[in-house]
Amino acid sequence: QQQVKQSPQSLIVQKGGISIINCAYENTAFDYFPWYQQFPGKGPALLIAIRPDVSEKKEGRFTISFNKSAKQFSLHIMDSQPGDSATYFCAASPNGNFGNEKLTFGTGTRLTIIP
Amino acid sequence: ETGVTQSPTHLIKTRGQQVTLRCSSQSGHNTVSWYQQALGQGPQFIFQYYREEENGRGNFPPRFSGLQFPNYSSELNVNALELDDSALYLCASSQGLAGYEQFFGPGTRLTVL
Repeated sequence: QQQVKQSPQSLIVQKGGISIINCAYENTAFDYFPWYQQFPGKGPALLIAIRPDVSEKKEGRFTISFNKSAKQFSLHIMDSQPGDSATYFCAASPNGNFGNEKLTFGTGTRLTIIP
Repeated sequence: ETGVTQSPTHLIKTRGQQVTLRCSSQSGHNTVSWYQQALGQGPQFIFQYYREEENGRGNFPPRFSGLQFPNYSSELNVNALELDDSALYLCASSQGLAGYEQFFGPGTRLTVL
């Protein structure tokens, strides 16, 4: 049972453009929503994360938009650069006081930035 | 500061065999989680160890088992290998449970023939 749906599967964006990746979740117990970036041959690396008490979080060129009522969140990469070409995963976890940070990942988006 | 390391990098086994994968957590980290990443898919949570005790398990059969040692390094054991076990196995460590970032290792690529 896939609990986090991610789209698109692949995305090609011109250098300097905006890359947008979307995710939707089903489990209302999720309260931690990170995005990971993965380069070939490497493990995923945390890019940015948000908790549902805010609707937007920005770190440099990367912004997460969160819509709790729609159970959707998205990653926006502004001024996309060739070095941003990678696979991006959204994820979610129930991060309550009892811990257990097990993450449920989306299926990934392969982003290619072309000159 | 050394990051999360995993060994071996690649491994080829035949169906029915057993395999052990190893993970050294980042310095100061006491929590290790294991994930299976099939080709073209997102990682799937296998289980987590906190201070040598299993602390949560995903939807994987009992032939997937693990250990965490006093130095917080960890092993993933898979018995009776099946073709569908072919995947990248990722280990992630963190300083604790709630509220801490997980740092992933580069993974072990397992191929089952």
